[in-house]
Amino acid sequence: QVQLVESGGGVVHPGGSLRLTCVASGFTFSSHGMHWVRQAPGRGLEWVALVPFDGSHKYYADSVKGRFTISRDLYKSTVSLQMNSLRPDDTAVYYCAKDLLAFASAQHPPATDSWGQGTLVTVSS
Amino acid sequence: DIQMTQSPSSLSASVGDRVTITCRASRDISNYLAWFQQKPGKAPKSLIYDGSNLQSGVSSRFSGSGTGTDFSLTISSLQTEDFATYFCQQYDSYPPTFGQGTRLEIK
Repeated sequence: QVQLVESGGGVVHPGGSLRLTCVASGFTFSSHGMHWVRQAPGRGLEWVALVPFDGSHKYYADSVKGRFTISRDLYKSTVSLQMNSLRPDDTAVYYCAKDLLAFASAQHPPATDSWGQGTLVTVSS
Repeated sequence: DIQMTQSPSSLSASVGDRVTITCRASRDISNYLAWFQQKPGKAPKSLIYDGSNLQSGVSSRFSGSGTGTDFSLTISSLQTEDFATYFCQQYDSYPPTFGQGTRLEIK
């Protein structure tokens, strides 16, 4: 079955950096785009970034554009989120999620199905 | 960005009740609408995609309908495990955006 396991969260000072990793298994990783979505404590969900199945173009929320970079390693079946210039309002649980459909076009944001359990990032001085 | 507005924000109901949650988009999103269920301390679980398609393994108690700007999620006969928070999400255009959530509580 599909498994997505995030790691790399922790406490970091404002202006610092952190790299999150999501290890995927149970499906053909190279055929599916991958998303990061976050949820601030007690708040709603905010989509963060997408790398489509073909890796051709990456998409970001305006709130993280220029600071966060999504990438993937097809050999390790991992998707990562490099987070730089972190701010207190980046504090959240970060989830990775996979595209529902294989080879999904990114003309519209693809629908997701499976999500990982999340990793908590706390930005505080 | 497309704004997604859910109603009600919270709802109290009893086991066996039929409940409906609505979601309105600030502009036409065709059927690019998903519903998620989230329990405290857990990841969101996808229930429905493309407005009305049930994700694999999801109980047929759940159903979705709507197109354009107005959508609904109906739970036909509430079970104990259904008490949770529900979110809608549009994926018609970037960035995908979520509703603020509807908390479903036991009466």
